[in-house]
Amino acid sequence: DAKTTQPTSMDCAEGRAANLPCNHSTISGNEYVYWYRQIHSQGPQYIIHGLKNNETNEMASLIITEDRKSSTLILPHATLRDTAVYYCIALRGGANSKLTFGKGITLSVRP
Amino acid sequence: DGGITQSPKYLFRKEGQNVTLSCEQNLNHDAMYWYRQDPGQGLRLIYYSQIVNDFQKGDIAEGYSVSREKKESFPLTVTSAQKNPTAFYLCASSPDREGAKNIQYFGAGTRLSVL
Repeated sequence: DAKTTQPTSMDCAEGRAANLPCNHSTISGNEYVYWYRQIHSQGPQYIIHGLKNNETNEMASLIITEDRKSSTLILPHATLRDTAVYYCIALRGGANSKLTFGKGITLSVRP
Repeated sequence: DGGITQSPKYLFRKEGQNVTLSCEQNLNHDAMYWYRQDPGQGLRLIYYSQIVNDFQKGDIAEGYSVSREKKESFPLTVTSAQKNPTAFYLCASSPDREGAKNIQYFGAGTRLSVL
């Protein structure tokens, strides 16, 4: 599975959009980009995933560059409850692959 | 409510003691997983099971054992051979249908400490 690289931390103001970047320059054609988040002392929560098209659900949007070497998770209106560690993972689809959670990016939403 | 239930929330182990962490799911998922998380670190896979009566070692299986006698249950035993068991343990499950196999649903976790 391709390695992903994320900044260590970022912050944003409540009510503003939070744009979380992720680099995956060695991603292969059959690997999806998955995003999970972990609020302090809780289990991780699935957010969204995509292959090459942009995706949107009730939680977030995922923008994947045309060359698929990077992506951005967008939380359109961040709230204090969105403060968490966000993990970007590149993983093959179609099989029970092993999720590998690195250190992720810590998002702090300030009032 | 559908979901994954881990118990207990907190657990203390004495030296030389085996302890068992419970994980139950009512999501009808085929696959289940156990992860360990140390402070400030990501998750590391201990064991996983894709079907009843079958399981595979993850990256850090030494000192742990599991069983999968029922689809809903995947208990983890931390044996006395695990010399550094203090950590946050997370259980997860995922469906087996195409497009969703890597969407894992996690429990609230069990914090294990050594007395």
